[in-house]
Amino acid sequence: NAGVTQTPKFRILKIGQSMTLQCAQDMNHNYMYWYRQDPGMGLKLIYYSVGAGITDKGEVPNGYNVSRSTTEDFPLRLELAAPSQTSVYFCASSSQGSPTPYEQYFGPGTRLTVT
Amino acid sequence: SQKIEQNSEALNIQEGKTATLTCNYTNYSPAYLQWYRQDPGRGPVFLLLIRENEKEKRKERLKVTFDTTLKQSLFHITASQPADSATYLCALSSSASKIIFGSGTRLSIRP
Repeated sequence: NAGVTQTPKFRILKIGQSMTLQCAQDMNHNYMYWYRQDPGMGLKLIYYSVGAGITDKGEVPNGYNVSRSTTEDFPLRLELAAPSQTSVYFCASSSQGSPTPYEQYFGPGTRLTVT
Repeated sequence: SQKIEQNSEALNIQEGKTATLTCNYTNYSPAYLQWYRQDPGRGPVFLLLIRENEKEKRKERLKVTFDTTLKQSLFHITASQPADSATYLCALSSSASKIIFGSGTRLSIRP
């Protein structure tokens, strides 16, 4: 299993540009999450999904959008990028089942800079 | 509002000693508490989960305690090694859709 994969690894955007961060998992997990992590800080939840077709806002959703058309994929869309969105973005997935309920599996992250 | 606090200062420990990290929380009644390890430039990796009705959980050199009265979890690494140097994150959840992470404690083990 590849686990959780994210692309791209790095990206530099100009203010006002848009982009989509890709996330995929091959573990058949029903739950998927997007977090951002600013330097020296913890993870803040942007959006999450409990299954295909179902998404909901987390703690910091403004400026972002998501969709979940399949169990495997959970892309994050940034519209009109702003310097405040400079961060490292992590995608994660989990399930209610084994081995540990709600254990989160994280991708390697996307480092985004908006200038 | 819900709040999680971890040691804000980095923790420096001599190799072989026990490292103890603290996670305190307020305004929350979590069903689960999890600990993750994060290395620089990498995503967090799950270590242990403890449920609200459990007092202690062990895994190899790791031990986690959970006191819902004190609203505190302690994370212990016994016989610490330089390879244990990383940032450790505490996370609380009441369901799969509600999880909150602390800002983490950076642990350094010196030889």
